[in-house]
Amino acid sequence: QSALAQPASVSGSPGQSITISCTGTSSDVGGYNYVSWYQQHPGKAPKLMIYDVSNRPSGVSNRFSGSKSGNTASLTISGLQAEDEADYYCSSYTSTPSWVFGGGTKLTVL
Amino acid sequence: QVQLVQSGAEVKEPGASVKLSCKASGYTFTGYYMHWVRQAPGQGLEWMGWINPNSGGTDCAQKFQGWVTMTRDTSITTVYMEVSRLQYDDTAVYYCARRGSSQLNYYAMDVWGQGTTVTVSS
Repeated sequence: QSALAQPASVSGSPGQSITISCTGTSSDVGGYNYVSWYQQHPGKAPKLMIYDVSNRPSGVSNRFSGSKSGNTASLTISGLQAEDEADYYCSSYTSTPSWVFGGGTKLTVL
Repeated sequence: QVQLVQSGAEVKEPGASVKLSCKASGYTFTGYYMHWVRQAPGQGLEWMGWINPNSGGTDCAQKFQGWVTMTRDTSITTVYMEVSRLQYDDTAVYYCARRGSSQLNYYAMDVWGQGTTVTVSS
């Protein structure tokens, strides 16, 4: 199972919005509404930010939102804050069945 | 509170085995599957497999079949993962992560352990 494709890095200024894409195939992202997004700060464990494409767990800021179109899912962070600087990973359930992660995107807040 | 606490760092020689533990607390242990995910230095996350703590049933990614074994001890609410025939590229941080509930986020990993660093070195 190949990793989902994410941009290696994105950046934005405080207050701006950014979007991170996550591209898979019809056997994973495109075939199921089971895409999740995780935030990972350096040296820390990942944290669930979005599940089932667009749902936020309790306690996650509404500045984080998710969507999907075809084989590509997206994570949007609005009103960027310094604390949002981290690595972000998408994940999808697959037809194998199994789970697959994206390669990760480093978000820099300028 | 819901918590997963993993065992301490390990240093192993190539060809050896390592058994990692993940102790769960704050929820019904047998009610949630547990995933294992690893992350090589400077790399992304890689899904390894899951265990059903209720039945003991497991499934893992094809590349790990035959050399990764997942077990559990319900009496102490702990899951284990043993990795055999370690190679240098098995050096990584290994995480346990709870699968979400069947009513809410079943296909996500909603609680993570702090990770266990495994270093393979001669």
